[in-house]
Amino acid sequence: AQKITQTQPGMFVQEKEAVTLDCTYDTSDPSYGLFWYKQPSSGEMIFLIYQGSYDQQNATEGRYSLNFQKARKSANLVISASQLGDSAMYFCAMRDTGNQFYFGTGTSLTVIP
Amino acid sequence: GAGVSQSPSNKVTEKGKDVELRCDPISGHTALYWYRQSLGQGLEFLIYFQGNSAPDKSGLPSDRFSAERTGGSVSTLTIQRTQQEDSAVYLCASSAILAGAQEQYFGPGTRLTVT
Repeated sequence: AQKITQTQPGMFVQEKEAVTLDCTYDTSDPSYGLFWYKQPSSGEMIFLIYQGSYDQQNATEGRYSLNFQKARKSANLVISASQLGDSAMYFCAMRDTGNQFYFGTGTSLTVIP
Repeated sequence: GAGVSQSPSNKVTEKGKDVELRCDPISGHTALYWYRQSLGQGLEFLIYFQGNSAPDKSGLPSDRFSAERTGGSVSTLTIQRTQQEDSAVYLCASSAILAGAQEQYFGPGTRLTVT
């Protein structure tokens, strides 16, 4: 069964606008972690943001914020004030209690000047 | 400090040959993961090592794939009798088992091409 679902294969956003990348997850573990990674065309995987399942507040890291809705099992990434350098693949991931990671299929984001 | 390193960065091999891919995790990280990423695709989990525990091999696609981790540090992924469908980028990641984020740190990958 798919643990992480990213339903947007590709997204476009105007420079300086905000964009939301969707992610839903499936787990029965009471404790888990949610992550977003960025993969530019150069191929490296860059950690962006983390949300723990027990965290009460949404995580934020600079222009990145994670809209965590536990009851809906969603962990959407919001990028504010998009920049050209934000164009990349974005992967949502979940870590379960056994420290196993599950990745979504990714969303390709293109920032338009 | 040094990040995760992988070697070689690129490997071209003939179908039927064996290949070994190496991963040096971040010092002190007890968890080590191998993934495969085909062109334009997401990450496919292959194998996971945690400390001295038996590895989780549930993602290995066939018995041609094997991996070991010596001394809880360096790991080698071996693909025997390579096939063209094995062509992909093989990514290694390590993680510390501590309180907090415990994110994975990825290496630059090994691009394997089987001709």
